[in-house]
Amino acid sequence: QSALTQPASVSGSPGQSITISCTGTSGDVGSYNLVSWYQRHPGKAPKLMLYEGSKRPSGVSNRFSGSKSGNTASLTISGLQAEDEADYYCCSYAGSSTLVFGGGTKLTVL
Amino acid sequence: QLQLQESGPGLVKPSETLSLTCTVSGDSLSSGNYYWGWIRQPPGKGLEWIGSIYYSGSTYYNPSLKSRVTISVDTSKNQFSLKLSSVTAADTAVYYCARRRGVSWEFDYWGQGTLVTVSS
Repeated sequence: QSALTQPASVSGSPGQSITISCTGTSGDVGSYNLVSWYQRHPGKAPKLMLYEGSKRPSGVSNRFSGSKSGNTASLTISGLQAEDEADYYCCSYAGSSTLVFGGGTKLTVL
Repeated sequence: QLQLQESGPGLVKPSETLSLTCTVSGDSLSSGNYYWGWIRQPPGKGLEWIGSIYYSGSTYYNPSLKSRVTISVDTSKNQFSLKLSSVTAADTAVYYCARRRGVSWEFDYWGQGTLVTVSS
């Protein structure tokens, strides 16, 4: 069970859109529509941003959206805001009642 | 409002057993709709799923940690616990407890996390 692959960092200017990829295998991301995304500000607990690939929990801005193609899931943030600067982690169901996280992506808002 | 709070020693010696407890308030562990899990983050690294438990006691562990991990539940205290044996410096991490939805597998509520350092 290997960690999902995310870019170490991405950046964008306020108002722009960015996309964070999360690449797994046919045994996790590719086989299940059960990818979730978490935002973590320094010193804070992770916050659920998306689940089942593209569903937003109540209270999460519609600027956050998700998609999947093959073994890669993606998180897109549109209309980038300073408050979006944080670390983002993907997580996927990996079969046999197990979960696997990504290594995390640091988003910098320029 | 659901709250989860981790507690336990912040310093553990190598080869000993790390023990943490998560106290849940605002919901009952026995509600049956959720699982309860542990996740950790070593310094400078990503999140790692450790394992999950259902109120009935059914457990699910990360295969890479399975031989050293025990997760248990005490519904009378509304708590669940983590034990990680034979720890090394590589087990130094912030440990989080969280609630996981059963059907869709996401963690919707998290504790603030507690740093556990393995050092002599």
